[in-house]
Amino acid sequence: GENVEQHPSTLSVQEGDSAVIKCTYSDSASNYFPWYKQELGKGPQLIIDIRSNVGEKKDQRIAVTLNKTAKHFSLHITETQPEDSAVYFCAASKNSGGSNYKLTFGKGTLLTVNP
Amino acid sequence: DGGITQSPKYLFRKEGQNVTLSCEQNLNHDAMYWYRQDPGQGLRLIYYSQIVNDFQKGDIAEGYSVSREKKESFPLTVTSAQKNPTAFYLCASSRMGALQETQYFGPGTRLLVL
Repeated sequence: GENVEQHPSTLSVQEGDSAVIKCTYSDSASNYFPWYKQELGKGPQLIIDIRSNVGEKKDQRIAVTLNKTAKHFSLHITETQPEDSAVYFCAASKNSGGSNYKLTFGKGTLLTVNP
Repeated sequence: DGGITQSPKYLFRKEGQNVTLSCEQNLNHDAMYWYRQDPGQGLRLIYYSQIVNDFQKGDIAEGYSVSREKKESFPLTVTSAQKNPTAFYLCASSRMGALQETQYFGPGTRLLVL
C-alpha cells in the first residue's frame, strides 16, 4: 500500500520567515495530494491541495509543489505569522476503480512561529 | 450552517464497556470516514462508507464497528475488544466523484479509559 513520509517532525521559525515541509510517497499511481492544518484539540482543515496534472499551486501565502518523477511534494508558507502555528499533515491518494476514498497521511509537522 | 458535528467532545470508557461516538453531517455528502489519531502519528483509517447501508474496513478496523442507516449519520462503536482505545477520533465526509474529492473533518471526540 501507499506510504507517506513527512519531514521535519518539528519546525520552528521566526515571524516573517518562510517555512517548508516536505513529503514523499511510494505509490506512483497516487494523483491527489492535500495538505491539512490542525490546531490543538480541533479537527484538520484543508488548506491547499494539488492534483498530479499540475506542478505547482498557490493561494496567497501558501504554495504546494509536486515532483511526480521524484514522488515528493512540498508545502511552502511565506511571511509566516504566529497564527500559522499548528500541526500540518500531508496526504496522498489515488483513484482506484471509482473507490476514490483512501487518504494516506504523513505523521505531521509541528510548526511554531515565534513572534 | 453546514458542516460535520461529532459528539461528545470527551468520552470516558470503563473496562469491558462498549461506547458509541456520534458523527452527523448536513453537507449532503455520500462518503463518510472514521480516523483514529494518536500522539505523534498521522491519521489512520478505521472504517469508511461510500453509500447508505454499505461500509468497508480501513487499516485498523479490529475492535470497532459502524453502521450507515442514514446518509447523514455514521456512528462508530468502540467495543471491549479494542484493547487500546485511548485516542482522538475524527469523522470526515466527502462527495463521491470521478476524481478524489476533498475530505472535510469534524471537531473530533477524545476517548479516555477510566
